Amino acid sequence: QQPVQSPQAVILREGEDAVINCSSSKALYSVHWYRQKHGEAPVFLMILLKGGEQKGHDKISASFNEKKQQSSLYLTASQLSYSGTYFCGTDDAGNNRKLIWGLGTSLAVNP
Amino acid sequence: DGGITQSPKYLFRKEGQNVTLSCEQNLNHDAMYWYRQDPGQGLRLIYYSQIVNDFQKGDIAEGYSVSREKKESFPLTVTSAQKNPTAFYLCASSISPDRATGELFFGEGSRLTVL
Repeated sequence: QQPVQSPQAVILREGEDAVINCSSSKALYSVHWYRQKHGEAPVFLMILLKGGEQKGHDKISASFNEKKQQSSLYLTASQLSYSGTYFCGTDDAGNNRKLIWGLGTSLAVNP
Repeated sequence: DGGITQSPKYLFRKEGQNVTLSCEQNLNHDAMYWYRQDPGQGLRLIYYSQIVNDFQKGDIAEGYSVSREKKESFPLTVTSAQKNPTAFYLCASSISPDRATGELFFGEGSRLTVL
């Protein structure tokens, strides 16, 4: 039941926009987004809850389509600092409420 | 500043040896987690603890052991029974034991290499 992230990788020029998708085969209670730079710890971006409020982060926003069991992360006017690997973690409110993580989307922002 | 400290950052081990990775947090968080990260794979949960003196197995607990004797400490022992221990290990904490709503704070990670 690992969520599927797409695309696997994306290359942008500074200032361009990007969308990263996270899809699950199960009904979701929440979707979590993190960014990890190479060799560093993942950093929290936001959590989207079923039927609840969205929490944002600067110029990065996200949507959560409960019916499609999918979340999308929107990166607007990308900056060099946006480079890294983006992971989504999903919670289907099943046993133990544990997060299942996607394989990640590698994002490179070039000058 | 509050945060999570993992040590050592790099560790080399000979086959057959047990090693212990340290994880300390001063965020006063109840919940703590250990994840394993391999190239091209997502984070996989090894163990988690929602309260002192209690912990549960995650998805890949075989060959690992943990303890939670203090709220701020959650060490992970990689035993010789772990068949493929070379990996990047991440410790995390959350103020909320409910992982559905809690932001995870990660340490900088420990990279273990078995020679």
